[in-house]
Amino acid sequence: AQSVTQLGSHVSVSEGALVLLRCNYSSSVPPYLFWYVQYPNQGLQLLLKYTTGATLVKGINGFEAEFKKSETSFHLTKPSAHMSDAAEYFCAVSSNTGNQFYFGTGTSLTVIP
Amino acid sequence: GAGVSQTPSNKVTEKGKYVELRCDPISGHTALYWYRQSLGQGPEFLIYFQGTGAADDSGLPNDRFFAVRPEGSVSTLKIQRTERGDSAVYLCASSPTVRARTNTEAFFGQGTRLTVV
Repeated sequence: AQSVTQLGSHVSVSEGALVLLRCNYSSSVPPYLFWYVQYPNQGLQLLLKYTTGATLVKGINGFEAEFKKSETSFHLTKPSAHMSDAAEYFCAVSSNTGNQFYFGTGTSLTVIP
Repeated sequence: GAGVSQTPSNKVTEKGKYVELRCDPISGHTALYWYRQSLGQGPEFLIYFQGTGAADDSGLPNDRFFAVRPEGSVSTLKIQRTERGDSAVYLCASSPTVRARTNTEAFFGQGTRLTVV
């Protein structure tokens, strides 16, 4: 079975500050890990993904995430928050032995001017 | 088309009625997923198609829900005898086959917001 847990349903940061959104996964097989962003009344857009290879992955809009197997984590970071980053962020897990994507409950990011 | 298209974008229906939600995936994508997203929650898996067949329908909540993909492209999610608890955003996603895998990335549509009154 696979699942993800996102710690913190709401995160607020000041504009220009570091963004850190936490995701821990559970998987009995090597995972594929994803971060998606959802703007109001929009579908989900892929920010970045880890399937194999380099554990530090860079995505769009300056976001990056690091796969840490020992910590079963895939936290999302961005060095400097921008107002346009305000959105809902979802972590998801899949694997090379399955076909589904399992999503976390999401973290709402607020950027304070 | 360029992306996953879902119609209608909004649907209001009366309790007990039948509804159909349509998904037009990205051309060439073999895999198609339906998810349901309730307010304040993450997407919840409903059903997965590989080609024309439903490879995994374990997420369908009950037998009022059914989905088809007869030609391996467009899919329709059908809900019979709708209930107020069915109100949610229904998301469709498609993904390509990469090295025999279909779960290396999912592309989502904008969803259909279903409201049962």
